[in-house]
Amino acid sequence: DSGVTQTPKHLITATGQRVTLRCSPRSGDLSVYWYQQSLDQGLQFLIQYYNGEERAKGNILERFSAQQFPDLHSELNLSSLELGDSALYFCASQRGGEETQYFGPGTRLLVL
Amino acid sequence: GENVEQHPSTLSVQEGDSAVIKCTYSDSASNYFPWYKQELGKGPQLIIDIRSNVGEKKDQRIAVTLNKTAKHFSLHITETQPEDSAVYFCAAIADQTGANNLFFGTGTRLTVIP
Repeated sequence: DSGVTQTPKHLITATGQRVTLRCSPRSGDLSVYWYQQSLDQGLQFLIQYYNGEERAKGNILERFSAQQFPDLHSELNLSSLELGDSALYFCASQRGGEETQYFGPGTRLLVL
Repeated sequence: GENVEQHPSTLSVQEGDSAVIKCTYSDSASNYFPWYKQELGKGPQLIIDIRSNVGEKKDQRIAVTLNKTAKHFSLHITETQPEDSAVYFCAAIADQTGANNLFFGTGTRLTVIP
């Protein structure tokens, strides 16, 4: 158990809908990263937050957004969903000043 | 940006044999190289990592080597066991912009045959 929690575990929705994925980092970790894992693209970095502020952006679509709250949990919002958004979404947390990232169990999103 | 290539994509070994997975990276500024193991239905789990100021690191049956000049690093698993069966990912961090996001290889599906 990495200490990172993600909810929900599974999510099934329809095209055009909006969903919110939640991540709680390990106690004391200030950074949260979001990654998307799909069969054709592998594991790809989406966005990073550090202590409530956006730190870096990767291949994140404009339809996707995220935020990190004062209690350091983070939410990834996916809107106007398309079939191709079906994937596993992982968050990872990291302690300030360290490189190691610890991954949560992921949310499996299926868009029908 | 960083580009990490990983080989082979699949690997089958007999229980007790060794397994080697190789990765190359493109950005000479990369300085941290973790390896993750992902079992079915679970998130990636860190199994070992190495920093650019170290050439080799070992943890029981797992070892990682790094060749900075050639920009490649490898994972070695000795005395493989059926529970080693999983997908393994190498990754690299190129901290050029203050971000520490991981660039992943495409994964190696390791099967250990009892």
